Amino acid sequence: EAQVTQNPRYLITVTGKKLTVTCSQNMNHEYMSWYRQDPGLGLRQIYYSMNVEVTDKGDVPEGYKVSRKEKRNFPLILESPSPNQTSLYFCASSSHIRDRGPNTEAFFGQGTRLTVV
Amino acid sequence: GQQLNQSPQSMFIQEGEDVSMNCTSSSIFNTWLWYKQDPGEGPVLLIALYKAGELTSNGRLTAQFGITRKDSFLNISASIPSDVGIYFCAGQKGGFKTIFGAGTRLFVKA
Repeated sequence: EAQVTQNPRYLITVTGKKLTVTCSQNMNHEYMSWYRQDPGLGLRQIYYSMNVEVTDKGDVPEGYKVSRKEKRNFPLILESPSPNQTSLYFCASSSHIRDRGPNTEAFFGQGTRLTVV
Repeated sequence: GQQLNQSPQSMFIQEGEDVSMNCTSSSIFNTWLWYKQDPGEGPVLLIALYKAGELTSNGRLTAQFGITRKDSFLNISASIPSDVGIYFCAGQKGGFKTIFGAGTRLFVKA
């Protein structure tokens, strides 16, 4: 079954304690992306990756790091989490279709609810 | 950062009614996307639009890419209770950088 898997689904942590949220897709997609969702703000893109070892900043990259060492995995790293990073996080993956944009097949994970206290 | 203005914020309708929502921006986009999000789930892509003026349907859903490339609308015909959820528009200027609207929360009364 085609899917994007995020772990953990729920996480409560303390300020300053480094954490990693993992994301894995089984569809051999080139494109992967991380978003955060906050009430009234919709989804805001944190980082995206167009292929292995190719990453770029989205709209709100401050305080986050990513890596893309393998095609299937795109972990989100918070080196020193702060309370303003409390949010619902989504990972997404897509495949580029010729003559179309990369989002023609956009799959989202089920989300990771992060609370930083 | 850049913003998409999505309206309305919420809609309360009767089952069977048609629904219309739209997104506008001060910037030009190359791609417009419409998603639906159910509670506790990630967004699901409904329709993708790639050309100005393009009109695309997916069952009871129809979306259009505005001629100016600065807006898009989504229509849902003959709404049913399972249409309840949050609908998001999203725009891409090129590559994979994506901007989302704040969402339209749809409530359908049976």
